Amino acid sequence: SQKIEQNSEALNIQEGKTATLTCNYTNYSPAYLQWYRQDPGRGPVFLLLIRENEKEKRKERLKVTFDTTLKQSLFHITASQPADSATYLCALASSASKIIFGSGTRLSIRP
Amino acid sequence: GAVVSQHPSRVICKSGTSVKIECRSLDFQATTMFWYRQFPKQSLMLMATSNEGSKATYEQGVEKDKFLINHASLTLSTLTVTSAHPEDSSFYICSASALAGRTDTQYFGPGTRLTVL
Repeated sequence: SQKIEQNSEALNIQEGKTATLTCNYTNYSPAYLQWYRQDPGRGPVFLLLIRENEKEKRKERLKVTFDTTLKQSLFHITASQPADSATYLCALASSASKIIFGSGTRLSIRP
Repeated sequence: GAVVSQHPSRVICKSGTSVKIECRSLDFQATTMFWYRQFPKQSLMLMATSNEGSKATYEQGVEKDKFLINHASLTLSTLTVTSAHPEDSSFYICSASALAGRTDTQYFGPGTRLTVL
């Protein structure tokens, strides 16, 4: 069956370091992959989308890579700040636009 | 731009009652709205997809007679949880897309926390 794994339920890092979150998937051929930020008790906020034919996408301090051979996406936040503390969700969608979400990684940035 | 609101943000009800949740796109016309449910520390699960003026398409395992969805206008969709039970307690989140059926252009609402006593 289709499966998405965000390999860390929680990640703690020091302010200023680069946070790297991982999203692995099996039995799925996504047309694109998205990363969202979700704060407690709030809906997800879209961050980045990367398509199957793209290797890397950047937006300010954020970088996403997508390796369809490894079936993996990495999400990086450089120069992390306490305000980046949140849960980050990856989501995959097939060309039929049926989207499935990972369970998220809770990121904590300590000052 | 692309703001989606939900009302109420939080609701507590007694078992057996029905609860209506509204989802509105404030500054764009939402051809498609999606309804999700999220249990604590779990992923968002798509419940149904609704296109304006059409019947909703429900995901496998979601009872359409229990979760009534109406998408009567391009800016409003409602989810009614009928005869709610404690196991229906969850965080319900809608999203809206201006493009029909497109999850790559969906904007999420802030969510509604439902607690059934």
